[in-house]
Amino acid sequence: QSALTQPPSASGSPGQSVTISCTGTSSDIGSYNYVSWYRLHPGKAPQLMIFDVNKRPSGVPDRFSGSKSGNTASLTVSGLQAEDEGDYYCSSSAGSNDVLLGGGTKLTVL
Amino acid sequence: QLQLQESGPGLVKSSETLSLTCSVSGGSISSSRYYWGWLRLPPGRALEWIGNIFYRGTAYYNPSLKSRVTISVDTSKDQFSLRLTSVTAADTAIYYCARRDYYDITFDPWGPGTLVTVSS
Repeated sequence: QSALTQPPSASGSPGQSVTISCTGTSSDIGSYNYVSWYRLHPGKAPQLMIFDVNKRPSGVPDRFSGSKSGNTASLTVSGLQAEDEGDYYCSSSAGSNDVLLGGGTKLTVL
Repeated sequence: QLQLQESGPGLVKSSETLSLTCSVSGGSISSSRYYWGWLRLPPGRALEWIGNIFYRGTAYYNPSLKSRVTISVDTSKDQFSLRLTSVTAADTAIYYCARRDYYDITFDPWGPGTLVTVSS
């Protein structure tokens, strides 16, 4: 069982927006601004999409944004495109050297 | 541009030891800014953090795997390695190596991953 809770699936039509949640506790997401989001595609190296809650690495489209409220972090994908499909995982620090991960959300573009 | 590449046997027998190496190119593993980590994705299950190591040798492991895992580093070759003992079918997974920021636990970049199957 994963330390962080994500919905197993999310979907939207091209052009729409979709938000994926990641719920932790006051000891991890609620206490630290160290939330990251990764996209996994079969056969490809996983890609960092968001770090430090809301920062985008170079090369990631500005359609991807991150936020946090209390113990829940969120990833929003605006203007959905077919290439956005994949499995998205959130990660958070808990102040120790452990790395907490979510259970993953499969994003489908309808 | 930093690149990571996993290597090692794709098939390991149950109860034996899984050994993988991650080769780092385009940069040095001897940086005080980063850890070097291993993660895995079992088929049909969630991504799991295995552990990470600092170039000076300090390592941290997932508590659920700690009794079976060793991560080591070879700075002369810019490589770090994973050993997982007493494997079972539950250890079948795609294994990834990645660079981890020292402070904010961000993993970037990642290697492409290597599938390791545990056979009986």
